[in-house]
Amino acid sequence: QVHLQESGPGLLKPSETLSLTCDVSGYSVASGYYWGWIRQPPGKGLEWIGSIFPGLSTYHNASLKNRLSISVDTSKNQVSLRLTSVTATDTALYYCASRTTLVNGGSFDFWGRGTLVIVSS
Amino acid sequence: SYVLTQPPSVSAAPGQTARFTCEGNSIGSLNVNWYQHRPGQAPVLVVYDDTARPSGIPVRFSASSSGDTATLTISRVEVGDEADYYCQVRDRSGYDPDWVFGGGTKLTVV
Repeated sequence: QVHLQESGPGLLKPSETLSLTCDVSGYSVASGYYWGWIRQPPGKGLEWIGSIFPGLSTYHNASLKNRLSISVDTSKNQVSLRLTSVTATDTALYYCASRTTLVNGGSFDFWGRGTLVIVSS
Repeated sequence: SYVLTQPPSVSAAPGQTARFTCEGNSIGSLNVNWYQHRPGQAPVLVVYDDTARPSGIPVRFSASSSGDTATLTISRVEVGDEADYYCQVRDRSGYDPDWVFGGGTKLTVV
């Protein structure tokens, strides 16, 4: 069974850089079709942040594109997110998700339980 | 960018049928995915590629998509079905593909 566990700093100040990691167990990050980050601001719905196809390509939400980078570390079996110049609008529950089998429609088959990030001075 | 529109809430009594709509321009030409999200828990994929159910998802969950509307149907609703439900597509119409979520619909079992 694939298990995803997100971790991060919890609290950040505006203008700082957010770094999150997603520890993957039960599956190799190198074997996944793609991995994604999704967030949920307080009281709002899910928002796609970005997706990475290991060894191939990365796609970002256009609203975050200039601040965002996503990577995989096959030696640690992790997926990482880095978001620069955070503001209060980046406050959200951040989820890591996977697609481990080939499908047509871009779904995510496994999700972590999320890590809360609060941006406040 | 592509937009998916969902009603904010739906209610159903136990044993009844709950239907969730997801509207988007020519959504019938895309593959639609649906997620169940209970507060404090990881979202769960309940339908992918329009109509397919992942292993472990009850047959009570079914979906369809045509024209500008996709629909998730939960038959014989149970109290444990109370959650937020999100539709999602991968929009490949632009230069880069975007994963797009609807705003979500809260199911209240009354």
